[in-house]
Amino acid sequence: NAGVTQTPKFQVLKTGQSMTLQCAQDMNHEYMSWYRQDPGMGLRLIHYSVGAGITDQGEVPNGYNVSRSTTEDFPLRLLSAAPSQTSVYFCASSPALRTGAGNTIYFGEGSWLTVV
Amino acid sequence: DAKTTQPNSMESNEEEPVHLPCNHSTISGTDYIHWYRQLPSQGPEYVIHGLTSNVNNRMASLAIAEDRKSSTLILHRATLRDAAVYYCILRELNSGYALNFGKGTSLLVTP
Repeated sequence: NAGVTQTPKFQVLKTGQSMTLQCAQDMNHEYMSWYRQDPGMGLRLIHYSVGAGITDQGEVPNGYNVSRSTTEDFPLRLLSAAPSQTSVYFCASSPALRTGAGNTIYFGEGSWLTVV
Repeated sequence: DAKTTQPNSMESNEEEPVHLPCNHSTISGTDYIHWYRQLPSQGPEYVIHGLTSNVNNRMASLAIAEDRKSSTLILHRATLRDAAVYYCILRELNSGYALNFGKGTSLLVTP
């Protein structure tokens, strides 16, 4: 059981380049989300999904796109990277809230992104 | 959304108990209290959660005030591996997807 897997772990981008951060989970969780964490700060929600084909914006969605074609995968796309997107990105998954707000949320190990 | 307030940092000696406080005075009746911790350069990991009653697991204990406006995460014997940022988060059925992590409490454990 691999849990939540993120790739790549480290990436350096030039301003204006595009890239996709991959996230996969093998726990059949309905809920998946992406957070970013800037130095010395807590995590902020970018986008989330409550099931295949359903996505919604979080607190800081600008500059990011997501899609959820399968239950397992939830990629995060940066269409035109900016230095302000330099951050650590975490993917998370959990069972649906309707099954209980006490459900554990599982996080990936993070993807360190630097935009120069 | 209900918010939580935690001290920015705390310090403990190794093998001593640690009590990490969290205030959540605007908590609603359906909010679950979750605690997560984040070790350096890692993603957050689940520690414990509760609704009304005190909870124990292999990692920690959670003591919830009778009025639920505050809670305390208890590490019974701190180890160096417990040095991390601890987040107290409220999660409820209707809006629990947007978790408010805040800045958490940075716990320093000294030998």
